Amino acid sequence: QKEVEQNSGPLSVPEGAIASLNCTYSDRGSQSFFWYRQYSGKSPELIMSIYSNGDKEDGRFTAQLNKASQYVSLLIRDSQPSDSATYLCAVNPGNTGNQFYFGTGTSLTVIP
Amino acid sequence: EAQVTQNPRYLITVTGKKLTVTCSQNMNHEYMSWYRQDPGLGLRQIYYSMNVEVTDKGDVPEGYKVSRKEKRNFPLILESPSPNQTSLYFCASTPRGSLLRDTQYFGPGTRLTVL
Repeated sequence: QKEVEQNSGPLSVPEGAIASLNCTYSDRGSQSFFWYRQYSGKSPELIMSIYSNGDKEDGRFTAQLNKASQYVSLLIRDSQPSDSATYLCAVNPGNTGNQFYFGTGTSLTVIP
Repeated sequence: EAQVTQNPRYLITVTGKKLTVTCSQNMNHEYMSWYRQDPGLGLRQIYYSMNVEVTDKGDVPEGYKVSRKEKRNFPLILESPSPNQTSLYFCASTPRGSLLRDTQYFGPGTRLTVL
């Protein structure tokens, strides 16, 4: 079983809509969760990190964490064409504290 | 400018010819890591280092070696590259040994092709 799973997409949304990206993880003891954005041919860059159950908002981005369901999501409000990228979910299990596990990424296209 | 650098950015080589991909960070980060990224498989951790002279295997260490003699440098060594090591490689660094709340800063990537 993969540590971190994401729908690969592609996910297409019209400009101005809300894009919803989802991620599940297998290690119930996981403590830290990250969303990275990766443009084609570029390196990943951090968008959001979340550690506690609930929502965390930063501008147009909201990360949601539900540890009971082992589920973390990223909402992008007012989606822009510049948001078109692959979004990677990453988890630090916490039991070792030393490794990161990434999902395979969800490709998002925002249609003007 | 704070950054993680990798060299070379692109490399085409042949099976069995030893190569080294260098990684350097100028942020005094303790933790450094190597990943490979393959279509459909995502980012997978190869090796990581908590600090100088401390290295550990990630999920896919076979065929790779690393060393951490200085805090800023973390080279990835392929002693005898094979075609299945053709991939996009990223080096990353994190400020502290405790990773629970630290983001990783990624280098620009090295695209390796092994013929």
